[in-house]
Amino acid sequence: EAQVTQNPRYLITVTGKKLTVTCSQNMNHEYMSWYRQDPGLGLRQIYYSMNVEVTDKGDVPEGYKVSRKEKRNFPLILESPSPNQTSLYFCASSSEYNEQFFGPGTRLTVL
Amino acid sequence: QKEVEQDPGPLSVPEGAIVSLNCTYSNSAFQYFMWYRQYSRKGPELLMYTYSSGNKEDGRFTAQVDKSSKYISLFIRDSQPSDSATYLCAMRYTGTASKLTFGTGTRLQVTL
Repeated sequence: EAQVTQNPRYLITVTGKKLTVTCSQNMNHEYMSWYRQDPGLGLRQIYYSMNVEVTDKGDVPEGYKVSRKEKRNFPLILESPSPNQTSLYFCASSSEYNEQFFGPGTRLTVL
Repeated sequence: QKEVEQDPGPLSVPEGAIVSLNCTYSNSAFQYFMWYRQYSRKGPELLMYTYSSGNKEDGRFTAQVDKSSKYISLFIRDSQPSDSATYLCAMRYTGTASKLTFGTGTRLQVTL
């Protein structure tokens, strides 16, 4: 089954404690992205990757890091999480000719 | 001003009604237009996809793009309770499959 998986699905943490949210896709897609979704603000892109070792900032990259060492994986790293990073996070993947396919989401709470 | 504007709703309609959902945008460089449906506690799923201006129909769903007015619409005919969800419009430039700009979403409730 074609899918994007994210882990964990739910996470409660404290300010400053480094965390990683993993994302994996099994469709051999070149493009992968991370979004955050907040009430009234919609989905905003954090980072995206066009292929292995190629990443670029989206609209709200501050406080986040990403890496793309393998085509299937695109982890999101919060080195020092803060309460304003409490949000619902989505990973997505696509090929050049197909639109984005989203994962199930990770709900993050930073206390 | 946001690049993409979408009325957040909520929009409540009776079963069987025709639903019209809309987005306006400001950047004339957008060429690809999409509608995603998002059920509660789920990720967005692609519903309709249109390139440039025109109409596209898929079952009960019709997507319209009017580039001259910078206005896109999604029509749902014979709406069903299972259509209750948040509908997100999205758009992008040519050659940027990874860079989507979303509207904030319209929450739709179809009642029995």
